[in-house]
Amino acid sequence: EAQVTQNPRYLITVTGKKLTVTCSQNMNHEYMSWYRQDPGLGLRQIYYSMNVEVTDKGDVPEGYKVSRKEKRNFPLILESPSPNQTSLYFCASSPLGRGGYEQYFGPGTRLTVT
Amino acid sequence: QQQVKQSPQSLIVQKGGISIINCAYENTAFDYFPWYQQFPGKGPALLIAIRPDVSEKKEGRFTISFNKSAKQFSLHIMDSQPGDSATYFCAAPHTGRRALTFGSGTRLQVQP
Repeated sequence: EAQVTQNPRYLITVTGKKLTVTCSQNMNHEYMSWYRQDPGLGLRQIYYSMNVEVTDKGDVPEGYKVSRKEKRNFPLILESPSPNQTSLYFCASSPLGRGGYEQYFGPGTRLTVT
Repeated sequence: QQQVKQSPQSLIVQKGGISIINCAYENTAFDYFPWYQQFPGKGPALLIAIRPDVSEKKEGRFTISFNKSAKQFSLHIMDSQPGDSATYFCAAPHTGRRALTFGSGTRLQVQP
């Protein structure tokens, strides 16, 4: 089954404790992206990647890191989480040929930072 | 920063009625304008998309209307059903990078 998987689905952590949210897709998509969803703000892009070893900032990259060492994986790293990073996070992938509009989203990771 | 303004924030419609959600964009790239549907506890899923050189696209009960001169596009759901209850996001292609700028979302409730 074609899908984007994220782990963990739920995470409660404390300020400053480094964490990684994993994302994997099995559709051989070149494009991958991370979003955060907050009430009233919609989906805001954090980082994206056009291919292996190619990553770039989205609209809200501060406090986050990403890497793309393999085509299928695109982990999101919070080196020192803060309470304002409490949010619902989505990973998405897309074939480049579709111009990025046809995105396939994972199930989401709800992160709480206390 | 590129913006997409979406309205209304929430919408309650009776079963069988028409649901209408509107979006307005600023500058945008010449590419597809999609709508995504999100059910509680799930990730958004592509519902329907339109090319900017087309004024209307219909798929079943879902229709996108596109007004390029006004920089507006809307989603119409005909014969709305309780199963359509979800949050809907419009999106516009970003001008500066290969990305989508999403609207703030509309929570639709279809009452039986």
